[in-house]
Amino acid sequence: DAEITQSPRHKITETGRQVTLACHQTWNHNNMFWYRQDLGHGLRLIHYSYGVQDTNKGEVSDGYSVSRSNTEDLPLTLESAASSQTSVYFCASSPDRNTIYFGEGSWLTVV
Amino acid sequence: GENVEQHPSTLSVQEGDSAVIKCTYSDSASNYFPWYKQELGKRPQLIIDIRSNVGEKKDQRIAVTLNKTAKHFSLHITETQPEDSAVYFCAAYNGNYQLIWGAGTKLIIKP
Repeated sequence: DAEITQSPRHKITETGRQVTLACHQTWNHNNMFWYRQDLGHGLRLIHYSYGVQDTNKGEVSDGYSVSRSNTEDLPLTLESAASSQTSVYFCASSPDRNTIYFGEGSWLTVV
Repeated sequence: GENVEQHPSTLSVQEGDSAVIKCTYSDSASNYFPWYKQELGKRPQLIIDIRSNVGEKKDQRIAVTLNKTAKHFSLHITETQPEDSAVYFCAAYNGNYQLIWGAGTKLIIKP
């Protein structure tokens, strides 16, 4: 079955380290998204991509970057991890930009 | 830009009773309104959606209504069961090809 997978599912890292969260989907969707979820803030969009080589900033993009070199993958990089980036991160994909399918989430702790 | 407000933030109902969650949106160009359910520790999953050319949609015990004039839409769950306990998110798809999310409603089903 087609799916969307994230790795790692759980990670603890130190302040200042670079961290990359992987996202891989097998639906061949052009549209992919990264969200973070924190208590009291719901789902906040970090970055999104509407196709290969296309990337766009969301509402909370500072300190994060993405790249889209193929249809299947949208890795999220934290350039220099900060404690404020401790969160749950959800990757998602969509065939049409509005029907969103989420991955299982990556729990990141920055100490 | 688009803004989506969701109420209440927490809703506690007796098992078997009905639950109603309401969302309002600001952008009259929004034309697609999904609802997602997120169980504790899991990913958000689409449970029902409605497009702007439809006033109501039902799927077994859940229904969504849309009032375009008033710019609000609601999720109705009848005969609530323990497995309905979760956080529910509404969203609106605006003219800039992005989903704008409500802050979420924690639904508690009391036995």
